[in-house]
Amino acid sequence: DAGVTQSPTHLIKTRGQQVTLRCSPKSGHDTVSWYQQALGQGPQFIFQYYEEEERQRGNFPDRFSGHQFPNYSSELNVNALLLGDSALYLCASRASGQGVFGYTFGSGTRLTVV
Amino acid sequence: AQSVTQLDSQVPVFEEAPVELRCNYSSSVSVYLFWYVQYPNQGLQLLLKYLSGSTLVKGINGFEAEFNKSQTSFHLRKPSVHISDTAEYFCAVSPNQAGTALIFGKGTTLSVSS
Repeated sequence: DAGVTQSPTHLIKTRGQQVTLRCSPKSGHDTVSWYQQALGQGPQFIFQYYEEEERQRGNFPDRFSGHQFPNYSSELNVNALLLGDSALYLCASRASGQGVFGYTFGSGTRLTVV
Repeated sequence: AQSVTQLDSQVPVFEEAPVELRCNYSSSVSVYLFWYVQYPNQGLQLLLKYLSGSTLVKGINGFEAEFNKSQTSFHLRKPSVHISDTAEYFCAVSPNQAGTALIFGKGTTLSVSS
């Protein structure tokens, strides 16, 4: 049973560019959350998607946007990249009935902005 | 709002020694409490969780944690560590409500040497 799959695993972008990160949730999961983990820090909540809608959002600017598809997979888009956006981006999925304690995390996408 | 403070950024120990990783939290509402482990280049793995009931919670890999409401603490312990326990450990909280996000501490690096 595959867990949460994220792609790509590593990515290098130039300041000002746009990037799209992808996440396939664990089988049976329908809710996807994204977290940003800067070097030496704990993960910070970006937003959560359920039923193809953004349900909750953390303290991140509008440059960060997302999408959820009918098959529950999700994308995280970041526009006008800044050096400070360099981080590990983690996707976490759960079944909607499991609550916050049912999350499974992916291995992340390491984004480096130069 | 909730916050998490992990009191030690780094904890070096020798193999087979006991270890305690300290976590304090702040919240005006009831919370769920979690400990996650992150091995190099991997995502987060749930070690244990406190939802309600017994304040002593047992998790995977021989770890346990004790919830202390009066001291707003949730310290993680293991009586005898192994080299393989070397990793980053994150304490997290979530309000006791459906659909809310995890709030993480900055992490504690546990380094086990022989």
